[in-house]
Amino acid sequence: DIVMTQSPDSLAVSLGERATINCKSSHSALYSSNNRNSLAWYQQKPGHPPKLLIYWASTRESGVPDRFSGSGSGTDFSLTISSLQAEDVGVYYCLQYYSSSPMYTFGQGTQLEIK
Amino acid sequence: QVQLQESGPGLVKPSETLSLTCTVSGGSISGYYWGWVRQPPGKGLQWIGYIYYRGSTYYNPSLKGRVTISIDTSSNEFSLNLSSVTAADTAVYYCARVTSGAPWFDTWGQGTLVTVSS
Repeated sequence: DIVMTQSPDSLAVSLGERATINCKSSHSALYSSNNRNSLAWYQQKPGHPPKLLIYWASTRESGVPDRFSGSGSGTDFSLTISSLQAEDVGVYYCLQYYSSSPMYTFGQGTQLEIK
Repeated sequence: QVQLQESGPGLVKPSETLSLTCTVSGGSISGYYWGWVRQPPGKGLQWIGYIYYRGSTYYNPSLKGRVTISIDTSSNEFSLNLSSVTAADTAVYYCARVTSGAPWFDTWGQGTLVTVSS
């Protein structure tokens, strides 16, 4: 089984400060078709479906503010919010696609709050 | 703008089969992969499985044997059947789209809560 471990489980950051969420996989996220990392990040707010923020580990989805950025490769990835805004409160999930199986695995989620 | 809408019973008895349908509107079901993700109340997301528009299916090994996903391209719908349900299958069930060559869920339905209870 592929295990995705996010850290921390919860995070409280002051408005305007930086927030970083980490995601570590038990298997490489390398997508054989194009040598890119099949890792995505989502934001979820209560009562709503997840919203795609980042794909290919570092590409921002259209319409996502540029304070959101993704980085990492292989098995270790990060989502950074450079200057936290009130509307960024929510739960963040990483998602890996494992092409060899094929299957998807989500991280357990990180609750982001305002300090 | 493609939209997805889940439908089906909100209450299922233990040991019975949970059946949901996702209707795709505003775009064609052809050319894409279509999946199901669930979220137990207060918990995280779990991938259930997905189907290519041509019919090939892929399931989460932890649910294999209980899950069947099917597709009806003429109706622009795809469906989830989960058999022998227990209280642990109580969750919000989301349908979602995957674009070929872009292995992430890019469009989601609003989700539907299914409760397993007698």
